[in-house]
Amino acid sequence: SQTIHQWPATLVQPVGSPLSLECTVEGTSNPNLYWYRQAAGRGLQLLFYSVGIGQISSEVPQNLSASRPQDRQFILSSKKLLLSDSGFYLCAWSVPPETQYFGPGTRLLVL
Amino acid sequence: GNSVTQMEGPVTLSEEAFLTINCTYTATGYPSLFWYVQYPGEGLQLLLKATKADDKGSNKGFEATYRKETTSFHLEKGSVQVSDSAVYFCALRGSGAGSYQLTFGKGTKLSVIP
Repeated sequence: SQTIHQWPATLVQPVGSPLSLECTVEGTSNPNLYWYRQAAGRGLQLLFYSVGIGQISSEVPQNLSASRPQDRQFILSSKKLLLSDSGFYLCAWSVPPETQYFGPGTRLLVL
Repeated sequence: GNSVTQMEGPVTLSEEAFLTINCTYTATGYPSLFWYVQYPGEGLQLLLKATKADDKGSNKGFEATYRKETTSFHLEKGSVQVSDSAVYFCALRGSGAGSYQLTFGKGTKLSVIP
């Protein structure tokens, strides 16, 4: 069966510091991968999606970037965090055109 | 573009009460519709889905019927339990080529009290 991992689970970072969040999927090949952000009291916003290695689409202009160095690995990064980057980051996978399945999330607090 | 509107929360119910969370959508063509649930501190879990008009999705006592005539996908449960306390998200995936993205509603927080 397929599983999706995210780490770290919780992260507290100072403003201006770099960020790297990792997501890996097991049990499937060539999945679509997604990064979402959930700000406090708000819905989910799609940040990036990837249909293959090295292929990244950005949905909103922002301080973040994404990379997909391997088929089942998706990384969310920033060179300098802003206060507004705080939130709950969720990774998801799907094998098109099927359902998206979400990971456990990373809670990021920028101070 | 696509959009999802779901009822504002929070919703507080007593155990064994009937639950309805309204969800309506705007989309072209024939989108697929989903309900996800998020328990405190966790990621989203797929609760149920429907991929064509008049389909009924069901899981764990929850049901939702894809109504194209009213562009709705309301979530219902006949008798809620304390363990159903969570945030519920309605979502759609468009039917066009390359429609990978999900469009989510803002979520409805449900609290069930004993």
